[in-house]
Amino acid sequence: EVQLVESGGDLVQPGGSLRLSCAASGFTFNNYWMSWVRQAPGKGLEWLAIINPDGSATDFVDSVRGRFTISRDNAKNSLFLQMNSLRVEDTAVYYCARDWPGCGRCSADYWGQGTLVTVSS
Amino acid sequence: DIQMTQSPSTLSASVGDRVTITCRASQSISSWLAWYQQKPGKAPKLLIYEASSLQSGVPSRFSGSGSGTEFTLIINNLQPEDFATYYCQRYNVNARTFGQGTKVEVK
Repeated sequence: EVQLVESGGDLVQPGGSLRLSCAASGFTFNNYWMSWVRQAPGKGLEWLAIINPDGSATDFVDSVRGRFTISRDNAKNSLFLQMNSLRVEDTAVYYCARDWPGCGRCSADYWGQGTLVTVSS
Repeated sequence: DIQMTQSPSTLSASVGDRVTITCRASQSISSWLAWYQQKPGKAPKLLIYEASSLQSGVPSRFSGSGSGTEFTLIINNLQPEDFATYYCQRYNVNARTFGQGTKVEVK
């Protein structure tokens, strides 16, 4: 059974940093691209970042590029999101998702339960 | 950047109705489009991928169509468990973009 479990969410002050983790199991982790997606309270889904299977390629949405870093440890089946220079508007539930080639030809077919990041003074 | 625009933002419907949600891309994404369902407090669930392929385990009352820039999600015979928010997502290149969502509410 595919499982994704996020952790690391917390209350942090504006300008602070946080590192989120996503533990993957039930599939061959190093065969898949992985993504981070967030959802601010009462708002829609916002795709944030993606990383390729060997970690050599990444991409980000403009709103976090230069502040957030995505990485992975294939030996530990883990995905990470390093978030720096956090802003109040980064407050959201953060999800990791199994991406391409999920289900063979799809994007995010499995999601974690999410971890809450609150940025507030 | 490719923008994804869904319509309507909110849709009021009754059990048994046929519901249509539209997603428009600002430039062609071929058929690289997915539809997700999200209920409050839950992670999104993949319904449709590659514009028209039904994800395993998803009821056949859900269907998707379209290519290029215009896409449609149809829910036939709306069931009580289908009241939720629906998102389209393009995945034609490395980056992804979601539509703003369509909330299907009880009429």
